[in-house]
Amino acid sequence: EDQVTQSPEALRLQEGESSSLNCSYTVSGLRGLFWYRQDPGKGPEFLFTLYSAGEEKEKERLKATLTKKESFLHITAPKPEDSATYLCAAKTSYDKVIFGPGTSLSVIP
Amino acid sequence: DTGVSQNPRHKITKRGQNVTFRCDPISEHNRLYWYRQTLGQGPEFLTYFQNEAQLEKSRLLSDRFSAERPKGSFSTLEIQRTEQGDSAMYLCASILPVNTEAFFGQGTRLTVV
Repeated sequence: EDQVTQSPEALRLQEGESSSLNCSYTVSGLRGLFWYRQDPGKGPEFLFTLYSAGEEKEKERLKATLTKKESFLHITAPKPEDSATYLCAAKTSYDKVIFGPGTSLSVIP
Repeated sequence: DTGVSQNPRHKITKRGQNVTFRCDPISEHNRLYWYRQTLGQGPEFLTYFQNEAQLEKSRLLSDRFSAERPKGSFSTLEIQRTEQGDSAMYLCASILPVNTEAFFGQGTRLTVV
């Protein structure tokens, strides 16, 4: 069965304290691995797409990487405005997009 | 605004009533997805369309739920005989024909009292 899991469930960081979020996936014929940011009461906001193992994408303090079974979202020197829920999603060979449960990130000033 | 639009943003209804939500995708996006999200959880897949064809419906979706996408443009999601367990955020997303990411609307927050 296609599945996406994320860890940790919640993460609390001091401002400037770098860390990584994990996404593990088991899908048939991965056609894309996505990271989204979601603020309370809003729809998910697209961050990155990764297509193949070894690929990396960067945007400001965020960097996403992909292996054959996992993806990582690295956050370097986070700021309080980075506080949000980060969602990972995988697109299957038949174009179904499946989400993980998310990691709730809190960055404390 | 050329993003995905969902209406209404909020809906409060009494248990047993029917509700209908609307999603207007980004123009030229031929795939449209519906998700349900409860507090502290990731979006849960409900169904998706390619143009007007409904390609898959989650087995978690009861017969009280139905979705349509007439003419391959906007889509509606109807819930009949609502129950308190239907209270959630209902999200819509659309994708271009080429293999790219899904863009989401702001969601419809349903509260069943």
